[in-house]
Amino acid sequence: QKEVEQDPGPLSVPEGAIVSLNCTYSNSAFQYFMWYRQYSRKGPELLMYTYSSGNKEDGRFTAQVDKSSKYISLFIRDSQPSDSATYLCAGAPGNTPLVFGKGTRLSVIA
Amino acid sequence: EAGVVQSPRYKIIEKKQPVAFWCNPISGHNTLYWYLQNLGQGPELLIRYENEEAVDDSQLPKDRFSAERLKGVDSTLKIQPAELGDSAVYLCASSYPGEETQYFGPGTRLLVL
Repeated sequence: QKEVEQDPGPLSVPEGAIVSLNCTYSNSAFQYFMWYRQYSRKGPELLMYTYSSGNKEDGRFTAQVDKSSKYISLFIRDSQPSDSATYLCAGAPGNTPLVFGKGTRLSVIA
Repeated sequence: EAGVVQSPRYKIIEKKQPVAFWCNPISGHNTLYWYLQNLGQGPELLIRYENEEAVDDSQLPKDRFSAERLKGVDSTLKIQPAELGDSAVYLCASSYPGEETQYFGPGTRLLVL
């Protein structure tokens, strides 16, 4: 079992939909959680950063961490075609390299 | 502020040939990472540097891969000899020491024929 599991999709939604992307992790020592967005043939771009459990909101994006169930979520409101990309979740215990999921490919259809 | 710079962006070589990738991190970022990303997978760490010191290279296949960061700034990752299975994207990332947020370069896409 990989330390971070993520459904690779692809996930296809209509423009304006609310998107829910999810990951589970197995290492209970994880304290830091991140979401990266990766466009085709580009490097990953940091989207959201969360420490420990709780919610964090930034514009149309909300990241949620539930450490009791080892569940990480990213919500995208009012999705746009420009949100079409691969979304990578990652976690780390702290001062150690990130462990990434496989990524979920999202397509937002206009 | 300039981001992480990587070159070349694309490289096509024949198997058994050597290849090298270069990375210049964000200014002030003392921590530098090399990741390997296969198609449909997330990045996987190859090596992490704190300044000039390689502090985590347990995933680096040392029989054919080597890396250096001589002056604690830019870094080079080398493969010699390359194998077909090395075809992938090689990503460089950097961060401030002790910070978890990493910033990635655009990657070098390697194709071994």
